[in-house]
Amino acid sequence: DTGVSQNPRHKITKRGQNVTFRCDPISEHNRLYWYRQTLGQGPEFLTYFQNEAQLEKSRLLSDRFSAERPKGSFSTLEIQRTEQGDSAMYLCASSWGSGGSGGTEAFFGQGTRLTVV
Amino acid sequence: AQTVTQSQPEMSVQEAETVTLSCTYDTSESNYYLFWYKQPPSRQMILVIRQEAYKQQNATENRFSVNFQKAAKSFSLKISDSQLGDTAMYFCAFMKIGGNNRKLIWGLGTSLGVNP
Repeated sequence: DTGVSQNPRHKITKRGQNVTFRCDPISEHNRLYWYRQTLGQGPEFLTYFQNEAQLEKSRLLSDRFSAERPKGSFSTLEIQRTEQGDSAMYLCASSWGSGGSGGTEAFFGQGTRLTVV
Repeated sequence: AQTVTQSQPEMSVQEAETVTLSCTYDTSESNYYLFWYKQPPSRQMILVIRQEAYKQQNATENRFSVNFQKAAKSFSLKISDSQLGDTAMYFCAFMKIGGNNRKLIWGLGTSLGVNP
């Protein structure tokens, strides 16, 4: 297993366009997270999946943002009608856990850097 | 709500010396994990060390150790024998255990430079 994979690594888009990012987690991991990181800041939580169920969604995730994880495998994050404020690094992470346990630590991908011009 | 505070935006250390990065957090939870993650320039976030709140013993991983003071809600990272490859952003993070909440709450990070 090569770890968490994110594609594309970089995306430049014009304001108003839609973009979609993909995350392939570590294969045996049932938990998947999306975070957003702007320059000089720590990551901010966006959303969390356990298997295919989206269990938590941050208020940061406006109606223009949607995430899916069909069949509990890879995940996609779509941003509609992009704005310049959406420019950031989008990080995906995965971990394994069951029931109420904390499980393993989160393993991160290299991120997708979005620039909206 | 939980918060994580890293009060040192930047730090530097000479190669082979020891440096301590500070982190404080605020929570009303009793069961949680604390983490230090490292983010080298243009590279992915990597776990450095993890501490379970119910464990009194401080976690250690080779040259990395923590000083976990639960009552004071303090979680500092000590890096011994600093190496050039330790140059990175270091983030302290909190995770509550229980329920469906598995998100990490992050500090703003400390940029560590190791000088030759």
